[in-house]
Amino acid sequence: ETGVTQTPRHLVMGMTNKKSLKCEQHLGHNAMYWYKQSAKKPLELMFVYSLEERVENNSVPSRFSPECPNSSHLFLHLHTLQPEDSALYLCASSQEDSITGELFFGEGSRLTVL
Amino acid sequence: GENVEQHPSTLSVQEGDSAVIKCTYSDSASNYFPWYKQELGKRPQLIIDIRSNVGEKKDQRIAVTLNKTAKHFSLHITETQPEDSAVYFCAAHYGGSQGNLIFGKGTKLSVKP
Repeated sequence: ETGVTQTPRHLVMGMTNKKSLKCEQHLGHNAMYWYKQSAKKPLELMFVYSLEERVENNSVPSRFSPECPNSSHLFLHLHTLQPEDSALYLCASSQEDSITGELFFGEGSRLTVL
Repeated sequence: GENVEQHPSTLSVQEGDSAVIKCTYSDSASNYFPWYKQELGKRPQLIIDIRSNVGEKKDQRIAVTLNKTAKHFSLHITETQPEDSAVYFCAAHYGGSQGNLIFGKGTKLSVKP
């Protein structure tokens, strides 16, 4: 059982589609993140939201658009993606002012771009 | 930019043996080093972490050592069990938000019964 849930778990989309990934955390945390996990590459931080404000944007292409309407929800809007964007997208949350730096990850959304 | 190198990429051991995974980092300002375990098809989970003010930390069969001068840290698993089989990721924090982590590429550990 996880305190961070992601939907959908699997998504197949064409290059011209628009879709969204959703993340919800039930842990009362104040920071949420999107990571990209590709085969044979390190986990890459994409976006950081702290107290619902975006604080990091690691040179991610504009075809990825995050949205954080409140501290419990995080979205990743996808538009005109490329096949190389196929990957596992992981959402995570943390409590910024806690002693521990632990990130709590969701199970991920497996994205395939055709 | 910041970089974390992790070795080996795959590691196979017999049940009961020890396993060691090593990481080096480039940013001397990094002061927090977590290790995450990701079982097949599952989410990454923190198993142990260490801050730069200590050189070693142990939790049952798992230990992490840190050498700040050499900028490397290692994960040690003793008395390995089949359920230790997973991909292990090291990471280094580079300031700001807790999620500002540079991850290594991962080590796939297989423990053979």
